[in-house]
Amino acid sequence: DTAVSQTPKYLVTQMGNDKSIKCEQNLGHDTMYWYKQDSKKFLKIMFSYNNKELIINETVPNRFSPKSPDKAHLNLHINSLELGDSAVYFCASSQVSSGGLTQYFGPGTRLLVL
Amino acid sequence: AQSVTQLDSQVPVFEEAPVELRCNYSSSVSVYLFWYVQYPNQGLQLLLKYLSGSTLVKSINGFEAEFNKSQTSFHLRKPSVHISDTAEYFCAVTQKTSYDKVIFGPGTSLSVIP
Repeated sequence: DTAVSQTPKYLVTQMGNDKSIKCEQNLGHDTMYWYKQDSKKFLKIMFSYNNKELIINETVPNRFSPKSPDKAHLNLHINSLELGDSAVYFCASSQVSSGGLTQYFGPGTRLLVL
Repeated sequence: AQSVTQLDSQVPVFEEAPVELRCNYSSSVSVYLFWYVQYPNQGLQLLLKYLSGSTLVKSINGFEAEFNKSQTSFHLRKPSVHISDTAEYFCAVTQKTSYDKVIFGPGTSLSVIP
């Protein structure tokens, strides 16, 4: 009965590869997010989707492409992985339309690019 | 633009001692304020939030924070810490006009020493 789940939990890959991270929430929320947490624990928003529509797209290389097939899912595809992409990626969700300000985070995906 | 400052990157404190984690924010409009906690190898979870009303807000595990508008601060306090409070603490802010985007501070690592 996990609220926000992510797969995989760990991802080790070579430079230049393409990989995807999946996120699902069973809270019925209308908004989902992707955050990147670097090695110094700094957390930065990358994307936000509201009802499958992209509403926040921060300064992120276009190698990163989010996809929201439905309200409950937000996936992140990364092309041509680079060493600097190594980080922990968190998915989160909230119910913005009814004033839900709390964000619920997944457990994170630890990406290591070699 | 909004920003969040957490002046202390690391705070070591002995068990049962009091602690204060400092947070200051900058915004040209009214904001909502949050503290999130991240335990080792986990996602973030909401600790407490200030939306309106009483400027002193409390969590279920003994933490409290006070919103000070004149000093643009939202410091987090606990009168007596436990080993289990060891974690990373993030202050966050969102504008009342666009609360789908949350800006996180750089985090404070609280280490409780037995």
